[in-house]
Amino acid sequence: SQTIHQWPATLVQPVGSPLSLECTVEGTSNPNLYWYRQAAGRGLQLLFYSVGIGQISSEVPQNLSASRPQDRQFILSSKKLLLSDSGFYLCAWSDPIRPHADLFGPGTRLTVL
Amino acid sequence: DQQVKQNSPSLSVQEGRISILNCDYTNSMFDYFLWYKKYPAEGPTFLISISSIKDKNEDGRFTVFLNKSAKHLSLHIVPSQPGDSAVYFCAASVSRNQGGKLIFGQGTELSVKP
Repeated sequence: SQTIHQWPATLVQPVGSPLSLECTVEGTSNPNLYWYRQAAGRGLQLLFYSVGIGQISSEVPQNLSASRPQDRQFILSSKKLLLSDSGFYLCAWSDPIRPHADLFGPGTRLTVL
Repeated sequence: DQQVKQNSPSLSVQEGRISILNCDYTNSMFDYFLWYKKYPAEGPTFLISISSIKDKNEDGRFTVFLNKSAKHLSLHIVPSQPGDSAVYFCAASVSRNQGGKLIFGQGTELSVKP
């Protein structure tokens, strides 16, 4: 069975500091990978998705970036965090032939102060 | 531009009764719709889906109805149980070829009272 790991679970960072959130998937190969964010009182917003190593599509303009250095690893980064980056970040994967995210990770609660 | 909307942020239902969660969308290109359930401090889990070629899909206590002309879908839970208390998100997909991107609604928090 497939499992998805995210770390850290919670993170408190000062404004202007860098960010690196990591997501890894087990039990599958060549998955589609996604980063979502849930801001307070809002739905889940797709930030990035990737259909393969080194292939990243960005959905919204922002100061965040994503990278996929390995098939089952997806990283969300920022050089300088903003207050508005606070939220609940979720990694997800899906089978390439299926149209939706099958499994979300446990999420990272990011608070920028 | 909120393409998928869940206008009720919360819903309270008595155990054993029906829970009806609603979702509206604006993009007529959406061809696949899903419902996710989310407990606090956990990621969402897939619940049920429906393709635009259908108007109803049933899985146990959960049924999703799609009204394409009204651009509306709903999730019915019968009978409701206390363990169903969670936040429910509806989501829509434009195309299978776009990496499986989903557009989510804001969520409805369901509370089932014993």
